[in-house]
Amino acid sequence: QKEVEQNSGPLSVPEGAIASLNCTYSDRVSQSFFWYRQYSGKSPELIMSIYSNGDKEDGRFTAQLNKASQYVSLLIRDSQPSDSATYLCAGGGFQKLVFGTGTRLLVSP
Amino acid sequence: EADIYQTPRYLVIGTGKKITLECSQTMGHDKMYWYQQDPGMELHLIHYSYGVNSTEKGDLSSESTVSRIRTEHFPLTLESARPSHTSQYLCASSEPGLAIDEQFFGPGTRLTVL
Repeated sequence: QKEVEQNSGPLSVPEGAIASLNCTYSDRVSQSFFWYRQYSGKSPELIMSIYSNGDKEDGRFTAQLNKASQYVSLLIRDSQPSDSATYLCAGGGFQKLVFGTGTRLLVSP
Repeated sequence: EADIYQTPRYLVIGTGKKITLECSQTMGHDKMYWYQQDPGMELHLIHYSYGVNSTEKGDLSSESTVSRIRTEHFPLTLESARPSHTSQYLCASSEPGLAIDEQFFGPGTRLTVL
């Protein structure tokens, strides 16, 4: 099992809808989790971090962490075409971050 | 403005050349990282450093080397470039004092070896 797993997608949603991105992790990944957005040909940009169980909201983004089920998710409300990108989930491993392969999100106008 | 910089942004070079990719940050971070990423593929950690004179190899075997003589500077060197080194190289840094840190990335260097 990979340490951090994501569905590669693409996940297609219409403009204005809620996009739900999911990530599962193994026991080898600890309590810190991060969501990065990466546009094609660009570097990853940190958009959310979450350290404890529950929800964390920032604008249109909500990160959810469930340690018992070992999953972390990112909800994007009122999705815009500009949200179309690859979303990387990362978890804290031993002294470093472990990245998933990313989920490609496509938001159609 | 606190930021992380990489130069050059694009580099096309012939096989056998020695190259150095520059990474500098003005964020005051102790920890710095180099990742390699092919188009549409996952990030691979190739080197990291926890401070001056500290360097470690990452998960992906790499023929590159790094140095950390100054806190803000973390260059990556390829002694003899090969076509297999063609990739995007991303530098990152993270906040000091936390066990698992938020990492912030530079703009990347896209390297093409002919």
